[in-house]
Amino acid sequence: GESVGLHLPTLSVQEGDNSIINCAYSNSASDYFIWYKQESGKGPQFIIDIRSNMDKRQGQRVTVLLNKTVKHLSLQIAATQPGDSAVYFCAEPRMDSSYKLIFGSGTRLLVRP
Amino acid sequence: DTAVSQTPKYLVTQMGNDKSIKCEQNLGHDTMYWYKQDSKKFLKIMFSYNNKELIINETVPNRFSPKSPDKAHLNLHINSLELGDSAVYFCASKARGYSINEKLFFGSGTQLSVL
Repeated sequence: GESVGLHLPTLSVQEGDNSIINCAYSNSASDYFIWYKQESGKGPQFIIDIRSNMDKRQGQRVTVLLNKTVKHLSLQIAATQPGDSAVYFCAEPRMDSSYKLIFGSGTRLLVRP
Repeated sequence: DTAVSQTPKYLVTQMGNDKSIKCEQNLGHDTMYWYKQDSKKFLKIMFSYNNKELIINETVPNRFSPKSPDKAHLNLHINSLELGDSAVYFCASKARGYSINEKLFFGSGTQLSVL
């Protein structure tokens, strides 16, 4: 069986509350970030992205905030629902010789009924 | 129809065996990837092919050999399986191009367990 989750940061929220998932990055030259959601037994799925010339971007119930000064971004989920339970990754494309998507370490979101 | 499909979903095998995982995408994309996800959920890129040509090889042991018979398929063959190969392997694809805001589409993963 899985032993995942023992080392994965976990955020537990009450259904209906807002969730905030954080991500730090190290490269100050990074100019584009993406949030992915991975539900149990599935592959990562695109949620929302943001370019470095923005500090906020809103989607449906989700908002991404980017603070370039402290190299931090966050994903806010409004009125969290049970279907939001998943592992969330921030990711950054790298354009070396080709396109490469580099993932952060992930945060597990648990929604309590 | 599933956009990126992998088979098998689960693969249980003994150390030393050779196994393959298949991936197909029906999105018309030119670029395909293999990622490995360990027990801590860390996702690491392994390989990338663009229109059947290998473009990324992330220092993966040469027991791992990707093969792309056409741009819609990228298979992963693993020789002499080791315990440390146990992980979930994800295939992904994206459209051709070098725009930074292109999105990756992932398959549902193959959970490999080496006993």
